[in-house]
Amino acid sequence: GQNIDQPTEMTATEGAIVQINCTYQTSGFNGLFWYQQHAGEAPTFLSYNVLDGLEEKGRFSSFLSRSKGYSYLLLKELQMKDSASYLCAVMDSNYQLIWGAGTKLIIKP
Amino acid sequence: GAVVSQHPSRVICKSGTSVKIECRSLDFQATTMFWYRQFPKQSLMLMATSNEGSKATYEQGVEKDKFLINHASLTLSTLTVTSAHPEDSSFYICSARGASGGDTDTQYFGPGTRLTVL
Repeated sequence: GQNIDQPTEMTATEGAIVQINCTYQTSGFNGLFWYQQHAGEAPTFLSYNVLDGLEEKGRFSSFLSRSKGYSYLLLKELQMKDSASYLCAVMDSNYQLIWGAGTKLIIKP
Repeated sequence: GAVVSQHPSRVICKSGTSVKIECRSLDFQATTMFWYRQFPKQSLMLMATSNEGSKATYEQGVEKDKFLINHASLTLSTLTVTSAHPEDSSFYICSARGASGGDTDTQYFGPGTRLTVL
């Protein structure tokens, strides 16, 4: 079967760095997405990785290793507004999205 | 875990025809279902929110007569794109939120339906 695994919940301190991991097993691979979702709002696109390596966008970076079926989202200089759920989703060979359950990130002062 | 399915996974239709997309929560009851449209490498745009047994709430700019939403049961919501045009071609994603007795805040997402209008 296809599945995406990511931690259910993580806690970090304001100003620190946190890494949210995502491992996947899917039939084929056409890219991996990271979304941020605040409670009651629609998910916001953060990144899209289709090739191995690190993509940096300001305070957020996303890494992909296709051979290991692994990605992580790195958040630097954490701010209170970064408290949200972070969703990992993989597009499979049929261009269907396989979603992780999301990681709830709690930022403490 | 909670599973949401969509059918069909992809559909190609002629301009002017109507297309129905189904969203089902397979192992939980969903009091609320959401319909999104995804543009390439962009955020999901919320189109409407539907609660079982009541009329859907549409976001600003979404034509309710064009995108008909029905949430007839706690496990099924449908989106019908009426008189489809090429600009309606997109990836439509639904999500469902549980009723009670568990995590009622988490949305579970479907795999999406790719609509191509010729």
